[in-house]
Amino acid sequence: EPEVTQTPSHQVTQMGQEVILRCVPISNHLYFYWYRQILGQKVEFLVSFYNNEISEKSEIFDDQFSVERPDGSNFTLKIRSTKLEDSAMYFCASAGYSGANVLTFGAGSRLTVL
Amino acid sequence: GNSVTQMEGPVTLSEEAFLTINCTYTATGYPSLFWYVQYPGEGLQLLLKATKADDKGSNKGFEATYRKETTSFHLEKGSVQVSDSAVYFCALWTYGGATNKLIFGTGTLLAVQP
Repeated sequence: EPEVTQTPSHQVTQMGQEVILRCVPISNHLYFYWYRQILGQKVEFLVSFYNNEISEKSEIFDDQFSVERPDGSNFTLKIRSTKLEDSAMYFCASAGYSGANVLTFGAGSRLTVL
Repeated sequence: GNSVTQMEGPVTLSEEAFLTINCTYTATGYPSLFWYVQYPGEGLQLLLKATKADDKGSNKGFEATYRKETTSFHLEKGSVQVSDSAVYFCALWTYGGATNKLIFGTGTLLAVQP
């Protein structure tokens, strides 16, 4: 069964460092998403991406965050200068078309900022 | 705005017990409703869904009925197994704006003891 792959599974970084989280969506999917879950809290929408541009972003997704689909297979989330409060599990998801209303999620990347 | 509220966990049950995890939602229009499950160390997996009022989603012995009059989508299973131990997320799919996206509840940890 097709799956969404995320790397790394866990990353520990120092505050102020840049982090890139990588995702390989399902190959024929067109819509891509990042969500995050701070420990014990809700799974929150960060950003959606279609046709090489951001479709929608939440208020969490400030100027420190960016997304990119550099090569037609990877979908990356970059945090330019990490803060303690960025510590969370980050989930990538993809969907075949906008009306599909079913997202396939990766296993997540746990980010710990010290 | 659109939101999902689900019961706090953890829920601890003995094997073969009956399970209910409550979920209510607030939404404009007619959202689709979902239950996702996260097994330890894995990503979010779709468990079941319902796309309109009175629809019942079911999978692996779990079921949930879309109740528009009570804005609820409670998850039930008649006889839980140890292998059902996981975190369960209720979610709704919102339409409109620049994109469509899932909005999640906080998740409910289910622990089933032998």
